[in-house]
Amino acid sequence: AQKVTQAQTEISVVEKEDVTLDCVYETRDTTYYLFWYKQPPSGELVFLIRRNSFDEQNEISGRYSWNFQKSTSSFNFTITASQVVDSAVYFCALSVETSYDKVIFGPGTSLSVIP
Amino acid sequence: DTEVTQTPKHLVMGMTNKKSLKCEQHMGHRAMYWYKQKAKKPPELMFVYSYEKLSINESVPSRFSPECPNSSLLNLHLHALQPEDSALYLCASSQVRTGGNEQFFGPGTRLTVL
Repeated sequence: AQKVTQAQTEISVVEKEDVTLDCVYETRDTTYYLFWYKQPPSGELVFLIRRNSFDEQNEISGRYSWNFQKSTSSFNFTITASQVVDSAVYFCALSVETSYDKVIFGPGTSLSVIP
Repeated sequence: DTEVTQTPKHLVMGMTNKKSLKCEQHMGHRAMYWYKQKAKKPPELMFVYSYEKLSINESVPSRFSPECPNSSLLNLHLHALQPEDSALYLCASSQVRTGGNEQFFGPGTRLTVL
């Protein structure tokens, strides 16, 4: 069975601080895919990134960066110089090759960036 | 066009009403999804359509009836709902390929059942 854990339920930071959102996943499949989605107060989930299990290269996109470590089954997300617009719920998610239609979402981390 | 649209944005219905939620995408995606999301919880998968055929039903009660009339449209017909069915209903679409299909979500329909 697959599982995604996001231990941080809520995080508050002051604007311009850096913040890291943790994600730990469990699967016995060797081929799997990891995602991060952002859900602002408006409700729409926004896709941020996809990583497959064979690509451990870290990625940076503007103020966002992701650290994928298979050794610790983690896929952490860092926001540098946070802004108020980053306030949202962030979901880490997992799908596996054998049932790729089903995405398992973590419980989410609610991030509040205070001006 | 990289947008998934959903109508209506808000819906209030009684337990004896029949209503429908609609979802549309024009990205050429051949997989479409319905999710239910309660407050402060992650989305829960309800149904998946792949090439207009129902491929996954996550043991959803029959008072929810999905329909996929064509590759761009997805409906969710509601009948005899219960107050606990009040939630945000999200539609999503994706390409169909083996693995790693990022899903694109609509803004959702916020449903209240009285």
